Amino acid sequence: RKEVEQDPGPFNVPEGATVAFNCTYSNSASQSFFWYRQDCRKEPKLLMSVYSSGNEDGRFTAQLNRASQYISLLIRDSKLSDSATYLCVSGYSTLTFGKGTMLLVSP
Amino acid sequence: NAGVMQNPRHLVRRRGQEARLRCSPMKGHSHVYWYRQLPEEGLKFMVYLQKENIIDESGMPKERFSAEFPKEGPSILRIQQVVRGDSAAYFCASSPRQARTNEKLFFGSGTQLSVL
Repeated sequence: RKEVEQDPGPFNVPEGATVAFNCTYSNSASQSFFWYRQDCRKEPKLLMSVYSSGNEDGRFTAQLNRASQYISLLIRDSKLSDSATYLCVSGYSTLTFGKGTMLLVSP
Repeated sequence: NAGVMQNPRHLVRRRGQEARLRCSPMKGHSHVYWYRQLPEEGLKFMVYLQKENIIDESGMPKERFSAEFPKEGPSILRIQQVVRGDSAAYFCASSPRQARTNEKLFFGSGTQLSVL
């Protein structure tokens, strides 16, 4: 069974903090890797793709370690609006979603 | 907004009735994916369709559930003889190509099915 495992949290952090999420995936054939964000069980929205070389988008940095089958997301300078559930995603022809890690950013 | 359109947003059915969920992919997208999210659970893959073809239905329950994506019109997820355990959010996603090598999925707003 092809799984994506994440710590469910919640991660409670103050505004301005740096927070890191990790996940592991079991399907070694996976070629696609993403982080999605889901608010209050609305539709998931793409946050960023993840590459082995690492990629950065503003305050967000994602990293993929293929050897360890491990994906990470780093959020710097947390904002209140970052409060959401972050979904780790991997797959080949279909995408498998983790159950998500909940982030709560407080004033 | 030519995003993924799902309807209805909310659907209430009594046990034993049929539920039909519709999904129109983004313009130019011919690949459709259905996911189900049970309360307090993650998104679970159900089925992947391309126009007129079911590519992967490994996540579909063996009975009562079916899906189609006809040449014309939206993709339909059909649940016959619904039971309370079918109550969930059903999300549809589309992509312009098969989801491999970082092909992103774009999601619709979902249909919340409630079975009384």
